[in-house]
Amino acid sequence: SQQGEEDPQALSIQEGENATMNCSYKTSINNLQWYRQNSGRGLVHLILIRSNEREKHSGRLRVTLDTSKKSSSLLITASRAADTASYFCAIYSSNDYKLSFGAGTTVTVRA
Amino acid sequence: DGGITQSPKYLFRKEGQNVTLSCEQNLNHDAMYWYRQDPGQGLRLIYYSQIVNDFQKGDIAEGYSVSREKKESFPLTVTSAQKNPTAFYLCASSRDRELRQYFGPGTRLTVT
Repeated sequence: SQQGEEDPQALSIQEGENATMNCSYKTSINNLQWYRQNSGRGLVHLILIRSNEREKHSGRLRVTLDTSKKSSSLLITASRAADTASYFCAIYSSNDYKLSFGAGTTVTVRA
Repeated sequence: DGGITQSPKYLFRKEGQNVTLSCEQNLNHDAMYWYRQDPGQGLRLIYYSQIVNDFQKGDIAEGYSVSREKKESFPLTVTSAQKNPTAFYLCASSRDRELRQYFGPGTRLTVT
């Protein structure tokens, strides 16, 4: 499976700080998606960035994509306790027409 | 959780029994998916369906079966052939396989 790999595996920050996590992959992609999962719940879609896009914003989230380095980053600004969750990147490739998920980054925001 | 329901939330079965997990969506999506998630890991694709009466195996289909008789429904059966069935199962749907997926709340299956 041609999945993305997130880094770091876990991240602990103080409320108000920014959180950055990275995703690397090995294949060519059509798009890359970020999802959030609260403990024991389903995943929630955050952002989709296409291979011809370099940056996208949604509220306090900023996603960048560098296809030459085969990597993406998710930045959460001014974090809140409610941002405590696991964050997954998922790559969609026309090589296999599937969305492949990484193992995730667990983010803990301390009050 | 976006118009997808999964039931039950928790399911307990004895080893050797087949069990069917329910997934229903009211989003009018053509594509539906089943994933398995083990502790501390990402999602692994079990089966997916792009249209009614058609489905394809994902990365870990052995020991599982599905049906897609209606657009709204994509039940997953965990058979006794699945060697390690205890896991968190997630169902998802999307308008198109390239687009964002909408996930259900998940079913946690425990087999003893």
